[in-house]
Amino acid sequence: IAGITQAPTSQILAAGRRMTLRCTQDMRHNAMYWYRQDLGLGLRLIHYSNTAGTTGKGEVPDGYSVSRANTDDFPLTLASAVPSQTSVYFCASSLGGGAPYEQYFGPGTRLTVT
Amino acid sequence: RKEVEQDPGPFNVPEGATVAFNCTYSNSASQSFFWYRQDCRKEPKLLMSVYSSGNEDGRFTAQLNRASQYISLLIRDSKLSDSATYLCVVNMNNNDMRFGAGTRLTVKP
Repeated sequence: IAGITQAPTSQILAAGRRMTLRCTQDMRHNAMYWYRQDLGLGLRLIHYSNTAGTTGKGEVPDGYSVSRANTDDFPLTLASAVPSQTSVYFCASSLGGGAPYEQYFGPGTRLTVT
Repeated sequence: RKEVEQDPGPFNVPEGATVAFNCTYSNSASQSFFWYRQDCRKEPKLLMSVYSSGNEDGRFTAQLNRASQYISLLIRDSKLSDSATYLCVVNMNNNDMRFGAGTRLTVKP
């Protein structure tokens, strides 16, 4: 593994189903983030974690949950998917939380909720 | 009003042209500023950080105007490979990173 990986690459999901998007980084970064990107809206922060064992809410956290059991992994769970959660989801990590650290992004997961 | 606003473009320019993008932000307490580049269907990647004194990296120059709450990106001698979407990013408070919707640039031969 080099950098950040996300799985799956894409997924079509029926509304009401539960789904976990996976994110793993091997850079030993302390902070990790989940964003969604929708046309015309840019990237919006869903949840973040400044260090293993801690998480925080971003701009659009409703309908999503996260956990950070260790440094490398930061899964995002949709407990009961709805069509408005159709989006491209990007995981990111940085050496530390907040300014002025650069964020490194994974390749994204394209999720369609039908 | 959005926290970070950008002109969505598209900007269509010929090779060799100089093009400038602006981005405004609403929170005067914002701490740090960045320009990211995103190619079609790819992840964003850092292009450059924006420092208070302005900074230059080759053909790219970034400037910050705190009084007017905007940042800018200037690209000189545009290349075909500069075609992408440019995202303005403002760190408003620790982990509160706000992204603009992006400005699309197409450089044509």
